[in-house]
Order: sequence, then structure tokens, then C-alpha cells
Amino acid sequence: EAQLVESGGGLVQPGGSLRLSCAASGFTFSTYWMNWARQAPGMGLEWVASIKGDGSEKYYADSVKGRFAVSRDNTKNSLYLQMNSLRAEDTAVYYCARSRDNSNDWWGQGTLVTVSS
Amino acid sequence: ESVLTQSPGTLSLSPGERATLSCRASQSMNSNHLAWYQQRPGQAPRLLIYGTSNRATGVPDKFSGSGSGTDFTLTISGLEPDDFAVYYCQSRGGSFGGGTKVEIK
Repeated sequence: EAQLVESGGGLVQPGGSLRLSCAASGFTFSTYWMNWARQAPGMGLEWVASIKGDGSEKYYADSVKGRFAVSRDNTKNSLYLQMNSLRAEDTAVYYCARSRDNSNDWWGQGTLVTVSS
Repeated sequence: ESVLTQSPGTLSLSPGERATLSCRASQSMNSNHLAWYQQRPGQAPRLLIYGTSNRATGVPDKFSGSGSGTDFTLTISGLEPDDFAVYYCQSRGGSFGGGTKVEIK
């Protein structure tokens, strides 16, 4: 069974940086597109970024383009999200998810990022 | 990419009733690209339906999806306590609709 475990969330000041990690197990990580999504408190889901299995293609939501960078290390079965120039509106629970059949079939439990002074 | 609009925002129903949730796309979509998720309070989303009408592993047949073009529907028959949750549609693993909350009447 697939498992995804996010880490790296926490409290950061506006303008600061944070790097999230997602450890994957139970499936052949390198063969799957992976995604980051987020959910602000009391709000709906927002897709953030996607990365192809070999890392050769990356896509971002307009709201994070130029500030966030998705990457992966297939030797460590790990997905990352480098978040720079953080704003209050980036406060959210961040989820990593596996992509399959144009959907996200496995999700982690999420890690909370709070941007506040 | 399509913008997805879900309606209604909140659906108030009694246990045992049928729920019909709508997801409308701003442009015609490939039916292979439409998915539905359930999210219970404090939990991560759970995939219910992919490719408009295919149930994900372990999802009971009380959940069914249909639609084409710009109009898609999630139907939940015989609502049980665990089914009262928020439901999201998603396009091609990317943008999400705003969600429909199914609450106990």
C-alpha cells in the first residue's frame, strides 16, 4: 500500500523561506507524477505544483509561480517543495499526492505552514 | 485549463436520502480528466471517482459519477453518517472546484 508522509511545516515570517518534504513508500516512486496541493484554513483545495516522474517537467499554479519550486530525488523516494518569499496568504495545510489516471489517488496527511510575524 | 464551478455550495439532507452534486466546467473537458474527492473534517482528501465514472479502489457502489462535456455529477445514494463531508471535483489532477458540503438536515 502506498504511503506519503509530509514534513517541514511550521511558523515562518512573511518574506521567509521553508522547504517541505514528502517521503513516499509502497510504490515505484520514479514512475509517477507527483503533486502538491494546499488548503487554507476553512477554505477549499488548491493545486500548487506538479512534477513528472523523472523530474523533466514541472508545472505551477499562477499564485506560486516564481516563488515556489518543486523537485524530487528518486534515489530517496522523496518529493520537495521549496517555498520562498512567503506571504500570509500562503498559510495552509500542504499535501503531497500521487498522480494516476488524471487524478490524485494517494494523499499524505498534510503539514501546516503558517506565515505570520 | 477549465475553471470548475460546483453547486450547490451546501446540501442539507437526511440520512438515507440521495445526494446529487454538480460540477460545471468553463470549457468542454475530456471525460477522462474529471475526478471527485471526499474530505471529512480534519482528514486528507480521498479519491472517490476518476475518469468521470470510475470508482477508486475500495469505494462502495453507492458513489457514482456521470457526465460529459461541461456538466458532471456525483451521486451518493442512501446517505450514511460517514458520507456527510465536503466533496470536490478536479480537472486533470490540477484545478479543483470550490466544493460542496453535504450536511445533515
